[in-house]
Amino acid sequence: GIQVEQSPPDLILQEGANSTLRCNFSDSVNNLQWFHQNPWGQLINLFYIPSGTKQNGRLSATTVATERYSLLYISSSQTTDSGVYFCAVEVTSGTYKYIFGTGTRLKVLA
Amino acid sequence: DTGVSQDPRHKITKRGQNVTFRCDPISEHNRLYWYRQTLGQGPEFLTYFQNEAQLEKSRLLSDRFSAERPKGSFSTLEIQRTEQGDSAMYLCASGHRGRGNMNTEAFFGQGTRLTVV
Repeated sequence: GIQVEQSPPDLILQEGANSTLRCNFSDSVNNLQWFHQNPWGQLINLFYIPSGTKQNGRLSATTVATERYSLLYISSSQTTDSGVYFCAVEVTSGTYKYIFGTGTRLKVLA
Repeated sequence: DTGVSQDPRHKITKRGQNVTFRCDPISEHNRLYWYRQTLGQGPEFLTYFQNEAQLEKSRLLSDRFSAERPKGSFSTLEIQRTEQGDSAMYLCASGHRGRGNMNTEAFFGQGTRLTVV
């Protein structure tokens, strides 16, 4: 099956710093989403981005489907950005589920 | 519509007991998913419904697990004879089937945290 790997696995930043999170996938995908999981376990939708670039405030994302990767950019990080970031992909092989990546655990220090 | 709703939020049960969780998806969504997440891991797919039809089940879904979605609305996930290894967060998500049998954006509920003692 498809492999979805995220890097780095852990990241510690000072408040105000910028960061780039990466998601690599091993096969063609229909869709790709980025989520932020808060300390209570809720998965918050960040981007639905099967291809191209999107921006939402301090966050932006780019997916290059032909090269099988996606990037999530966080600028001017805040302590509330702390948590785990997941990418999830829907494969093209006839199944209908999202496969989650390994996650990046981010901690932003005040 | 306030999003995907799951009930209960927390459940503590004794080993060997049966438990049932409920998920109410976003009302216009015809796709519903169940996932399981253990500590430090990403969510793992359990099963998927298109309307009332259960179209895919993971090998993780043993014979002790059953899921239903009567009338294509809410869904239930039942675990029989619970084991300590069933302790996890159970997440439900919903989405809509678009043209070409492709998913639209999926939204997750807050999850049900199960502890088996």
